[in-house]
Amino acid sequence: AQTVTQSQPEMSVQEAETVTLSCTYDTSESDYYLFWYKQPPSRQMILVIRQEAYKQQNATENRFSVNFQKAAKSFSLKISDSQLGDAAMYFCAYRRLQGAQKLVFGQGTRLTINP
Amino acid sequence: DAGVIQSPRHEVTEMGQEVTLRCKPISGHNSLFWYRQTMMRGLELLIYFNNNVPIDDSGMPEDRFSAKMPNASFSTLKIQPSEPRDSAVYFCASILRRGQTSPYGYTFGSGTRLTVV
Repeated sequence: AQTVTQSQPEMSVQEAETVTLSCTYDTSESDYYLFWYKQPPSRQMILVIRQEAYKQQNATENRFSVNFQKAAKSFSLKISDSQLGDAAMYFCAYRRLQGAQKLVFGQGTRLTINP
Repeated sequence: DAGVIQSPRHEVTEMGQEVTLRCKPISGHNSLFWYRQTMMRGLELLIYFNNNVPIDDSGMPEDRFSAKMPNASFSTLKIQPSEPRDSAVYFCASILRRGQTSPYGYTFGSGTRLTVV
């Protein structure tokens, strides 16, 4: 079974600085998707960024980028120029490419932005 | 599109009562998922449907939980009888699946916060 691990329960960063959230996963499959979701206090789950495992290029969405290391099974999220609105729980998630489409989530990292 | 719509947003009920949570997926989406979020267990999949058919219900805690999807635009998750340990946030999510896969992320509803006292 696939597992996702986020080893940082909490992180904090100064506004306008850069922060990196860590995620590792375990799978025997070669093709899959990885995601980062943001959950603000409103509890809405918001998709931040997605990475296809068969793509070597790291995904980027504005201030958000990932460092995908397939061999190491690592998938970190970098947030540049942190803003107060980035404060939230962040979840790393895995999904198979074929077959079952369920998402497997990590335990989450609570990110605090200090003004 | 209004997104995935869940109701109610909050539910407080007494132990032993029946609780029904509702979900309307995004129009055109053909896979629907029910997740439960708790502090202790995080986000865990309860059940998911493809084209209204339950595919995997291995995450349903016990017989007190049941889920239905009578048509493509509506699903329910029922707990009968409810217990205090069922207190959690319940999310519904939908996705457009083409063939054996989907390149998309899920769209989640806003969740239902259930409190059983």
